[in-house]
Amino acid sequence: GAGVSQTPSNKVTEKGKYVELRCDPISGHTALYWYRQSLGQGPEFLIYFQGTGAADDSGLPNDRFFAVRPEGSVSTLKIQRTERGDSAVYLCASSFGKKETQYFGPGTRLLVL
Amino acid sequence: DQQVKQNSPSLSVQEGRISILNCDYTNSMFDYFLWYKKYPAEGPTFLISISSIKDKNEDGRFTVFLNKSAKHLSLHIVPSQPGDSAVYFCAASGLKLRGSNYKLTFGKGTLLTVNP
Repeated sequence: GAGVSQTPSNKVTEKGKYVELRCDPISGHTALYWYRQSLGQGPEFLIYFQGTGAADDSGLPNDRFFAVRPEGSVSTLKIQRTERGDSAVYLCASSFGKKETQYFGPGTRLLVL
Repeated sequence: DQQVKQNSPSLSVQEGRISILNCDYTNSMFDYFLWYKKYPAEGPTFLISISSIKDKNEDGRFTVFLNKSAKHLSLHIVPSQPGDSAVYFCAASGLKLRGSNYKLTFGKGTLLTVNP
């Protein structure tokens, strides 16, 4: 069975540019999460979707970050006007429900030059 | 403030011996704890979990111990194998944390190296 997939695996962009990161959750998982892992740190929560709606976006660092999940499956994390400090690994996870085990994708390594 | 702490950045053990990875937490509202393993260029992989109603959970070579009074948990791997070499993350969540029991709070990880 397919796990969580994320594309691209690596993204290099210039400061000020716009990027989109995609997550395909495990089929049938209704809950989807985005985390960010900076160098030397553990993953930090960004946003949680239950179905199509963002149930909790309290971890998004500022309004340059936005995420959508229009059909309750694939999710896209969007970052506007990227800054060097946005460089990190962006991890997506999914689960059957919000109390269930979260399964992570391989991540997208974002480097902002 | 780091609510979940893994104070050992690295640990090296010999194949066949026991590996003990430690984790401390400060938030008494946490009541569910997980260990994830991460290989380079891969996402974290769920390993084992424990609820605060238990003090031990075992799955094959992996055992997690929880000491609620000390706010401490540990992961024991016996016997350790070279393929266990990875970064191990401790994570916590809280069913009592109103409205946010899904949110995992991670430690910084411990790099385990198992030498053949």
